[in-house]
Amino acid sequence: AQSVAQPEDQVNVAEGNPLTVKCTYSVSGNPYLFWYVQYPNRGLQFLLKYITGDNLVKGSYGFEAEFNKSQTSFHLKKPSALVSDSALYFCAVRALSRDDKIIFGKGTRLHILP
Amino acid sequence: AAGVIQSPRHLIKEKRETATLKCYPIPRHDTVYWYQQGPGQDPQFLISFYEKMQSDKGSIPDRFSAQQFSDYHSELNMSSLELGDSALYFCASSFRQGTEAFFGQGTRLTVV
Repeated sequence: AQSVAQPEDQVNVAEGNPLTVKCTYSVSGNPYLFWYVQYPNRGLQFLLKYITGDNLVKGSYGFEAEFNKSQTSFHLKKPSALVSDSALYFCAVRALSRDDKIIFGKGTRLHILP
Repeated sequence: AAGVIQSPRHLIKEKRETATLKCYPIPRHDTVYWYQQGPGQDPQFLISFYEKMQSDKGSIPDRFSAQQFSDYHSELNMSSLELGDSALYFCASSFRQGTEAFFGQGTRLTVV
């Protein structure tokens, strides 16, 4: 069965500093990997995805993520954090199989400090 | 661009009542998912449909049922509501052979 782990419940970063939100996954075969962001009382917004190819993928709002197959990780990164980046971030995985549901991690709350 | 539309946005029901949530996927998307997100929780997969047929089932209670209609919209029917059913319910759509799913704004169900 596929699963996603986000080891940090909360990450605090000063505005202007680089940020990293960690994610590791477990899935049979090759995965589709995603990051979603959720603002209070809002839906889940798609940020970026890894399917195949370059291990560094770029997404919305200046975010990027690095796929590492040997470490089964897909960490979310941004070179310079903004206060408006404060939100709940979910890593998700979808297996390339008949069972194609998207499984989410527990989420990491990102606080960007002014 | 058209997004996933969910209705209603908010719903208040009493215990033991029935609720129906509606989802209108992005045009031409062939797969619909339903998720439940409790307070402070991650979204939990309930059920999915591909081309109007149930394709996968997660932690959906027997009191809940869902279907996808010929126009691809989907409805989640919830009966004998319990206080613990209070949550944010998301619908998402995607292409079956595609990758990311796009989520609606959700329906906030409050059972009192």
